[in-house]
Amino acid sequence: ETGVTQSPTHLIKTRGQQVTLRCSSQSGHNTVSWYQQALGQGPQFIFQYYREEENGRGNFPPRFSGLQFPNYSSELNVNALELDDSALYLCASSSAGAPDNEQFFGPGTRLTVL
Amino acid sequence: AQRVTQPEKLLSVFKGAPVELKCNYSYSGSPELFWYVQYSRQRLQLLLRHISRESIKGFTADLNKGETSFHLKKPFAQEEDSAMYYCALAGLGAGKSTFGDGTTLTVKP
Repeated sequence: ETGVTQSPTHLIKTRGQQVTLRCSSQSGHNTVSWYQQALGQGPQFIFQYYREEENGRGNFPPRFSGLQFPNYSSELNVNALELDDSALYLCASSSAGAPDNEQFFGPGTRLTVL
Repeated sequence: AQRVTQPEKLLSVFKGAPVELKCNYSYSGSPELFWYVQYSRQRLQLLLRHISRESIKGFTADLNKGETSFHLKKPFAQEEDSAMYYCALAGLGAGKSTFGDGTTLTVKP
């Protein structure tokens, strides 16, 4: 069984640029959730994807968008980057309908916006 | 709106001492609460959830709806318990959790 993987590990962008982060869900999982974790804070829910559709969204502007592919992997896209977007971005996969709905987290992508 | 508050950023105890990590929540519905743990250089992982009423690694957590709390407790702390602990509320549904800002627990020898 393969765990949740994320790429890249780190990246540096400048204000106004666009970025794409990738997540491969754990084998057998069909749901992916994305979180933003600023330094010294807990993860903050961005959105969730289930069966290639957005299935709930937190308090994030539309320049945060995502995709889920038929193999259940997912992308997080952020347009017009701002300095405050600097954070660790976590994805978590789970299996909708499973009795425990446990989320399994990836190692994260550290984004720095200069 | 839902909110999770962990009032202590840092908590330090000696090995063998009892430990309690506090978590308070604000939510109008029936809450589904979790504790997550992150050990050094490891990823975030689920420790326990309130609906299971389980004890994991000696930790327990009881939901107190009257006090809107879900404190994590262990009677005898071990050095390997040193980690960052997050309390989370899945008010929006499964996999859409609101997290507290975490408590760093250090267990001294």
